[in-house]
Amino acid sequence: KAGVTQTPRYLIKTRGQQVTLSCSPISGHRSVSWYQQTPGQGLQFLFEYFSETQRNKGNFPGRFSGRQFSNSRSEMNVSTLELGDSALYLCASSLGGSPDTQYFGPGTRLTVL
Amino acid sequence: AQKITQTQPGMFVQEKEAVTLDCTYDTSDPSYGLFWYKQPSSGEMIFLIYQGSYDQQNATEGRYSLNFQKARKSANLVISASQLGDSAMYFCAMSGTGANSKLTFGKGITLSVRP
Repeated sequence: KAGVTQTPRYLIKTRGQQVTLSCSPISGHRSVSWYQQTPGQGLQFLFEYFSETQRNKGNFPGRFSGRQFSNSRSEMNVSTLELGDSALYLCASSLGGSPDTQYFGPGTRLTVL
Repeated sequence: AQKITQTQPGMFVQEKEAVTLDCTYDTSDPSYGLFWYKQPSSGEMIFLIYQGSYDQQNATEGRYSLNFQKARKSANLVISASQLGDSAMYFCAMSGTGANSKLTFGKGITLSVRP
């Protein structure tokens, strides 16, 4: 089975712009979760989608949003980028039970200038 | 709320020796899972091992084993026969049920394997 894929792998944006990141889960996985990793805050949960519905949400401002499509692929969007949004964004997929093992993609490294 | 604590500073181990990475956790969920992930410098988070809260036996996956002590709320990772490729950051994480189904991570431990 192919693993979790994320595109793009690297992004450079400027403050005020918006960005969309994409995640394709492992075939058969219905849950997709997004995490932000920074040196200062570590790994923080953004949100989880299951069967096209947001099932869980972390403590991030409304500038961070996501969605999931019928084929379980997911996108996350960050609007009005700030310098502090520079981070590694990791997507993980699972079958959707709880607790359940989440398998991660390679991540998208976002740099905001 | 769930919490994972990893307090060890950077760890060093000689190639072919065993090493234990410590992890303690806290949760009010009766059903939960404990995980260890490896993150090399490339950034990808690699799943290593899983332990369910109701599992009677400690989990093992090849050279990885999880020393689960429920009463002490600890879930230490043991890597046997260390290899140079084991040098990486290691994260302990947990997830529960419902609103706690997200992964909560510790701060991680850097492991360096010496030849």
